[in-house]
Amino acid sequence: KAGVTQTPRYLIKTRGQQVTLSCSPISGHRSVSWYQQTPGQGLQFLFEYFSETQRNKGNFPGRFSGRQFSNSRSEMNVSTLELGDSALYLCASSQGQLASSYNSPLHFGNGTRLTVT
Amino acid sequence: AQKVTQAQTEISVVEKEDVTLDCVYETRDTTYYLFWYKQPPSGELVFLIRRNSFDEQNEISGRYSWNFQKSTSSFNFTITASQVVDSAVYFCALSVRIQTGANNLFFGTGTRLTVIP
Repeated sequence: KAGVTQTPRYLIKTRGQQVTLSCSPISGHRSVSWYQQTPGQGLQFLFEYFSETQRNKGNFPGRFSGRQFSNSRSEMNVSTLELGDSALYLCASSQGQLASSYNSPLHFGNGTRLTVT
Repeated sequence: AQKVTQAQTEISVVEKEDVTLDCVYETRDTTYYLFWYKQPPSGELVFLIRRNSFDEQNEISGRYSWNFQKSTSSFNFTITASQVVDSAVYFCALSVRIQTGANNLFFGTGTRLTVIP
């Protein structure tokens, strides 16, 4: 099985711009989660989608949004970029069940490294 | 609230030495899951192990072993006869069930392990 694929691998944007990151989960996985990783804050949970519905959301401002498509692929969008948004954005998928995915191991992609200048 | 503490920020060992990575967690839930992930320089987090709160049996997988002790809220990870390929950042993580059943994985700050040849 192909792993989790994230595109692009690297992005450079300027303050005020917006950006869209893409994630293709492992085939058959219906749960997709996004994490932001920075040296100062570590790994922070952004949101989780299951069957096109956002089921959980971390403590991030509304500039961070996401969506999931019917084929389980997911995108996240960051609008009005700030310097502090520079980070590695990791997507993870899991088999997850309709009732619960909290106990399913996550399978991560290589991430998208976003640099905001 | 959930919390995971990995007090060791960085550890360096010489190849073939044994090393233990500490993980202490906090939660008021009686049902929870603990995980360990490895993040090599490529950036992708790799799932290593999952343990639920009702299973305190220690586990061994090759050179890796895990010691789960509910009495001390610890889930420590030992690498025996370390190798250069073990060099990575290791994350301990905790997940409890929330109402939606969604992914709710909370990571520690990670321990960077360097194995010196």
